[in-house]
Amino acid sequence: RKEVEQDPGPFNVPEGATVAFNCTYSNSASQSFFWYRQDCRKEPKLLMSVYSSGNEDGRFTAQLNRASQYISLLIRDSKLSDSATYLCVVNSNTGTASKLTFGTGTRLQVTL
Amino acid sequence: DVKVTQSSRYLVKRTGEKVFLECVQDMDHENMFWYRQDPGLGLRLIYFSYDVKMKEKGDIPEGYSVSREKKERFSLILESASTNQTSMYLCASASGGANQPQHFGDGTRLSIL
Repeated sequence: RKEVEQDPGPFNVPEGATVAFNCTYSNSASQSFFWYRQDCRKEPKLLMSVYSSGNEDGRFTAQLNRASQYISLLIRDSKLSDSATYLCVVNSNTGTASKLTFGTGTRLQVTL
Repeated sequence: DVKVTQSSRYLVKRTGEKVFLECVQDMDHENMFWYRQDPGLGLRLIYFSYDVKMKEKGDIPEGYSVSREKKERFSLILESASTNQTSMYLCASASGGANQPQHFGDGTRLSIL
């Protein structure tokens, strides 16, 4: 079983739609969680951290369910510019440095 | 803003060559990382460093080595390049402590012929 699993998609949604991605992780000792966004042929960029109580940043909402070991990202009112690959990222602290494990990403395509 | 700079955006080398990929960060971060990214496999950690002259193997260290002589610079070395090392290489840095996100450079697309 992969440490971090995501549905690769693609998710094709019309502009204005609400879309949700889930991600599951296998290490119950994982301590912190992030969503990164990666545009085609570009580097990953931090979208948002995921907090235990859930958190929101504008149109984006992230939630964590430790009991079921999954993380979600909800995007409301999708824009064309949201088209990208969204990477679920889990932090396992090695004691010497934070080691991130990346999912393979979920591709989102927002259309007119 | 954190700035992570990789020395080359595109690089073409031949099988058997020794290849150096350089990465510099300007935020005085303790931790630096090298990944490769391949279609369908996502980002995989090659090596990381949590301090000057310190290094630890990641998930796929075979065929690679690293050097961290100064805090701001982390080099990835392919001792004898092979075609299966053709990939996108990404450097990242993060401040010390748990739960810190990583910040990435633009990436180096390396082709080994």
